[in-house]
Amino acid sequence: NSKVIQTPRYLVKGQGQKAKMRCIPEKGHPVVFWYQQNKNNEFKFLINFQNQEVLQQIDMTEKRFSAECPSNSPCSLEIQSSEAGDSALYLCASSLEGASNSDYTFGSGTRLLVI
Amino acid sequence: GDKVKQSPSALSLQEGTNSALRCNFSIAATTVQWFLQNPRGSLINLFYLVPGTKENGRLKSAFDSKESYSTLHIRDAQLEDSGTYFCAAMNYNQGKLIFGQGTKLSIKP
Repeated sequence: NSKVIQTPRYLVKGQGQKAKMRCIPEKGHPVVFWYQQNKNNEFKFLINFQNQEVLQQIDMTEKRFSAECPSNSPCSLEIQSSEAGDSALYLCASSLEGASNSDYTFGSGTRLLVI
Repeated sequence: GDKVKQSPSALSLQEGTNSALRCNFSIAATTVQWFLQNPRGSLINLFYLVPGTKENGRLKSAFDSKESYSTLHIRDAQLEDSGTYFCAAMNYNQGKLIFGQGTKLSIKP
């Protein structure tokens, strides 16, 4: 069982609806990453945090997603207005040191279907 | 372009045989991770590598940063080894893992 806990396991939303998913990183890991894996197995980096601060995010995340990692609460990633192309597996990972210094532990993912 | 290129894209093996998966990098990779994604979607950590080799049971992996490649060897393949294997490279300047496109491995009895 993964030490990174993601909820919900599955999420079904209509176009235009908000879609929110959560991640509890491995205990003691201050660095959190979100990736989107599409049906072609392509991984897209979305955003990462160190503690509560955003380190990097792509343009799409900044414009269409709301993400945070508050202290003592799960991290969250929310699509403000879901589109069909957002249907994918959303994977959260955490790391002890981030960047190139340590390995990532991934959660089991939230599979989003936008209908 | 493909910064992390995996080969083969798919592989079918008889139970008990051996195989080798490969990743070639067009970026200056500093570390490499290998994962197995099961049918439920969970990414299972197999190896985290700095340049060198590691072994764990029937699995062995190597990372050569100078020649920009990594390999994963599976010995005596078992049915439970089936799934999609991903390598991912870390480049210090990028600050994040960059994934290959995966190798889908099917083990037949």
